Amino acid sequence: EAQVTQNPRYLITVTGKKLTVTCSQNMNHEYMSWYRQDPGLGLRQIYYSMNVEVTDKGDVPEGYKVSRKEKRNFPLILESPSPNQTSLYFCASSEMSSGLIEYNEQFFGPGTRLTVL
Amino acid sequence: GQQVMQIPQYQHVQEGEDFTTYCNSSTTLSNIQWYKQRPGGHPVFLIQLVKSGEVKKQKRLTFQFGEAKKNSSLHITATQTTDVGTYFCAARSGGSYIPTFGRGTSLIVHP
Repeated sequence: EAQVTQNPRYLITVTGKKLTVTCSQNMNHEYMSWYRQDPGLGLRQIYYSMNVEVTDKGDVPEGYKVSRKEKRNFPLILESPSPNQTSLYFCASSEMSSGLIEYNEQFFGPGTRLTVL
Repeated sequence: GQQVMQIPQYQHVQEGEDFTTYCNSSTTLSNIQWYKQRPGGHPVFLIQLVKSGEVKKQKRLTFQFGEAKKNSSLHITATQTTDVGTYFCAARSGGSYIPTFGRGTSLIVHP
């Protein structure tokens, strides 16, 4: 089954304790992305990657790191989490389009609900 | 970055009433996608619009892309409780691969 998986699904942690949220897709997609979702603010992009070893900042990258060592995996790293990073996080992937007009749909993972105390 | 305004933020309707959400941009868009997120779920792709003035239908859902490609709407006819969720638009412009999501419209359907 084609899917994007995230782990953990729920996490409660304390300020300053490094954590990693994993994301994996089995669709051989080039493009992967991380979003955070907060009430009233919609989906805001944290980082994205267009291929292995190619990553770039989204709209809200501060306090986050990512890596793309393999095509299927795109982990999100919080080196020193703070309470303002309490949020619902989604990983997404899509095929890269060959054209500049039509873009392929993004497939989202189930989400990771993170609470930083 | 690009701004995409989505309104309204919330909409309460009685089952059977119609519903519309709008996305507006100050810049010309190359395309727009719509996603639905059920409560407790993740966003799921609904449709993509590319052409000026394009209209697409999926059963009771009608999607439109404005003539100037600066706005789009999603209209649901005769809502059902299964329509409950948050609807997001995701817009691209200037050849950029990176989409900007609207803040979403949460639809609440009262039986």
